[in-house]
Amino acid sequence: QSALTQPASVSGSPGQSITISCTGTSSDIGSHNLVSWYQQYPGKAPKLMIYEATKRPSRVSNRFSGSKSGNTASLTISGLQAEDEADYYCCSYAGSTTFVFGGGTKLTVL
Amino acid sequence: QVQLVQSGSELKKPGASVKVSCKASGYTFTHYAMNWVRQAPGQGLEWMGWINTNTGNPTYAQGFTGRFAFFLDTSVSTAYLQISSLEAEDTAVYYCARDVAGNWFDPWGQGTLVTVSS
Repeated sequence: QSALTQPASVSGSPGQSITISCTGTSSDIGSHNLVSWYQQYPGKAPKLMIYEATKRPSRVSNRFSGSKSGNTASLTISGLQAEDEADYYCCSYAGSTTFVFGGGTKLTVL
Repeated sequence: QVQLVQSGSELKKPGASVKVSCKASGYTFTHYAMNWVRQAPGQGLEWMGWINTNTGNPTYAQGFTGRFAFFLDTSVSTAYLQISSLEAEDTAVYYCARDVAGNWFDPWGQGTLVTVSS
């Protein structure tokens, strides 16, 4: 199972919106809505931000949103803040009770 | 609150074995599967597999068969990852993560750094 494809880095200024894409295949992202997104600060454990492609845990800011179209899922962060600077990973169910992560995207807030 | 607490960092020599523990609290351990994820230094997350906490049946991702083993002690709500015949390439942080509804991971343990060096 190959890793999902994410851009290595994205950047934006405070207050702007950014979108991180996550591209898979018809065998993973394209076949269901079981995509999740995780935020990871350096030296810390990942934290769930989005599940089932578009749903947000109650503790996560509504500035974070998820979407999916075909084989690509996306994470959008609106009203960018300095505290959003972190690494972001997508993850998809890949069939037969297996999962696959994306390579990760480093978000820089300028 | 729901929490996963992992054992501390390990320094091992090549060829040795290591066992990482992940103790769960705040929920019924056998109601949720447990996943394991590896993160090599400066690299991304890599899904290693999962274990059914009801049956103890493990599923391993490609590349994590043979030297890797998941097992449980349900009496103390703890999952374990054992790696045998350690190689330098096994140096990484290993995370456990609770599997919710079979499709997302929350929460995660704090991670255990395993360093393999002679």
